[in-house]
Amino acid sequence: GAGVSQSPSNKVTEKGKDVELRCDPISGHTALYWYRQSLGQGLEFLIYFQGNSAPDKSGLPSDRFSAERTGGSVSTLTIQRTQQEDSAVYLCASSQTGTGREKLFFGSGTQLSVL
Amino acid sequence: GENVEQHPSTLSVQEGDSAVIKCTYSDSASNYFPWYKQELGKRPQLIIDIRSNVGEKKDQRIAVTLNKTAKHFSLHITETQPEDSAVYFCADYSSASKIIFGSGTRLSIRP
Repeated sequence: GAGVSQSPSNKVTEKGKDVELRCDPISGHTALYWYRQSLGQGLEFLIYFQGNSAPDKSGLPSDRFSAERTGGSVSTLTIQRTQQEDSAVYLCASSQTGTGREKLFFGSGTQLSVL
Repeated sequence: GENVEQHPSTLSVQEGDSAVIKCTYSDSASNYFPWYKQELGKRPQLIIDIRSNVGEKKDQRIAVTLNKTAKHFSLHITETQPEDSAVYFCADYSSASKIIFGSGTRLSIRP
């Protein structure tokens, strides 16, 4: 595709429900990152996928958060039993090789609101 | 290699004046130093980057300088314009698997 695509763009859910956020990276990009951005705050690292290697999950805030990347392309971030503090913009980014020292391309994000 | 400190958190300058934002990193192995700009409601985008084999890089009104001895790099914007108003983030690439961003600087340009 032309860029990193995320869906949905907005998600409103009730506390305790599960949500799935989708990221479609740029075709051919082997590295994929998820970040969380709370209102007016910085970019909090969540998880990183690089090719077929085991993902770096060290940024996931709790075991309610998980992510998968199927076939080295599309990724899904799942939040179980959502809490109000999960409300934020979830940004996905991809890069060509993931070896560092290269540009990250960000999606437009999913605005998650937990009521 | 996961700590990058960014200052100031907010910055307001008169249109036409210069703005400087600084980031300090901890890992001496770091060798790539990018700056991202995030306009209100939009996604972050890379605006300039520098590698450790150079001390300064310019692109029109923006420049990045690197001081490896002191472990800091700075973003310089000259002749600021209203469209420069945004949040700016530096990033630490010392670990290729975990790109950590600075806390951000909200730059406001006063008319």
